[in-house]
Amino acid sequence: GAGVSQSPSNKVTEKGKDVELRCDPISGHTALYWYRQSLGQGLEFLIYFQGNSAPDKSGLPSDRFSAERTGGSVSTLTIQRTQQEDSAVYLCATAGTAINEQFFGPGTRLTVL
Amino acid sequence: AQSVTQLGSHVSVSEGALVLLRCNYSSSVPPYLFWYVQYPNQGLQLLLKYTTGATLVKGINGFEAEFKKSETSFHLTKPSAHMSDAAEYFCAVRLSGAGSYQLTFGKGTKLSVIP
Repeated sequence: GAGVSQSPSNKVTEKGKDVELRCDPISGHTALYWYRQSLGQGLEFLIYFQGNSAPDKSGLPSDRFSAERTGGSVSTLTIQRTQQEDSAVYLCATAGTAINEQFFGPGTRLTVL
Repeated sequence: AQSVTQLGSHVSVSEGALVLLRCNYSSSVPPYLFWYVQYPNQGLQLLLKYTTGATLVKGINGFEAEFKKSETSFHLTKPSAHMSDAAEYFCAVRLSGAGSYQLTFGKGTKLSVIP
């Protein structure tokens, strides 16, 4: 596609359930980032993938959060045992290389009841 | 480590008036600086960026920003506000050296344009 796409656009879940959020990058983009946008914390970096290198997980807030990127393309962010404080918009961004401009997807709005 | 401070979570201007959104940063190495705009229920769109070279950078929609190293600032301006400029604006910094190049964002400034 022409831009970064994310699915679902909205997700409502119950506390304690697991959720998976998907990011489809711009074709050919090797760098992929996940950010979280919440009312209290603003925009925070979560995790970064670059090609076949080990991901930079330094922004993940707890071990309930994990992400993978299969075949250097689609990425999935998984949150296990969701908590209410996980409610936020999760944004994916991709870039042609690590130093290039990051293009953002529309985000997934997660609501944990 | 780097950080970004945006002064004013909300700014209101009249249509046709000057827009000035303030951004100050701290960084241990020369930074790359960015301004993004976010319209309701949409992702972030890059307005402009400073990497090296000319310190006055021009972006889309008539916006520009000037990198002032001595003031550690990267304020965003537009001479004449349009109604369509109403959105949230984020200043961001990224290290220019090796690393994962993640962006560190300010808290954002919501711009309202009064007709």
